[in-house]
Amino acid sequence: NAGVTQTPKFQVLKTGQSMTLQCAQDMNHNSMYWYRQDPGMGLRLIYYSASEGTTDKGEVPNGYNVSRLNKREFSLRLESAAPSQTSVYFCASSVLSYEQYFGPGTRLTVT
Amino acid sequence: QKEVEQNSGPLSVPEGAIASLNCTYSDRGSQSFFWYRQYSGKSPELIMSIYSNGDKEDGRFTAQLNKASQYVSLLIRDSQPSDSATYLCAVNIGGSNYKLTFGKGTLLTVNP
Repeated sequence: NAGVTQTPKFQVLKTGQSMTLQCAQDMNHNSMYWYRQDPGMGLRLIYYSASEGTTDKGEVPNGYNVSRLNKREFSLRLESAAPSQTSVYFCASSVLSYEQYFGPGTRLTVT
Repeated sequence: QKEVEQNSGPLSVPEGAIASLNCTYSDRGSQSFFWYRQYSGKSPELIMSIYSNGDKEDGRFTAQLNKASQYVSLLIRDSQPSDSATYLCAVNIGGSNYKLTFGKGTLLTVNP
């Protein structure tokens, strides 16, 4: 039982490049989330998916898109990366709206 | 007003002491409250959840909730050096059961 997995662990992008962060969970959770964590700003919700087939914006959705591919997988796409998107990205999952469990994170640097 | 506030610390306690971490929140309608522990360079790890007023104990950890005062706290008894980490308070804010708002965290250092 791996819990929540994320790929890649590290990534360096140039401004304007695109990439997709992948997240998968094997806990049969209904809901999945993407957060970013920046020094001094704490954890902020980017997008979430309450259930398969639905997605909603969080606090900081601009510059991102998401896809809930199936119950297990939830991806985050940066279409045109900007230096302001340099951050640590965490995926999380939960049974309905209860306790959220986090993946190991992706450390993204945009130059 | 910030929605979830925590003292950033650092909070320093000697080994074996009780560490007390505090969190206040702005939304009177909040129903779900969580404490996460985050070691440097690692992801947040859920350690406690609490949904009703009062105390909830799990091993050395006790979460306390007072909805009237909009206050939630975490007590760590018999603190160990391995408890040294940043502790994040998370609250569902704004009527959504899914959207958690996190405080910026309190850095706890337990000195041997």
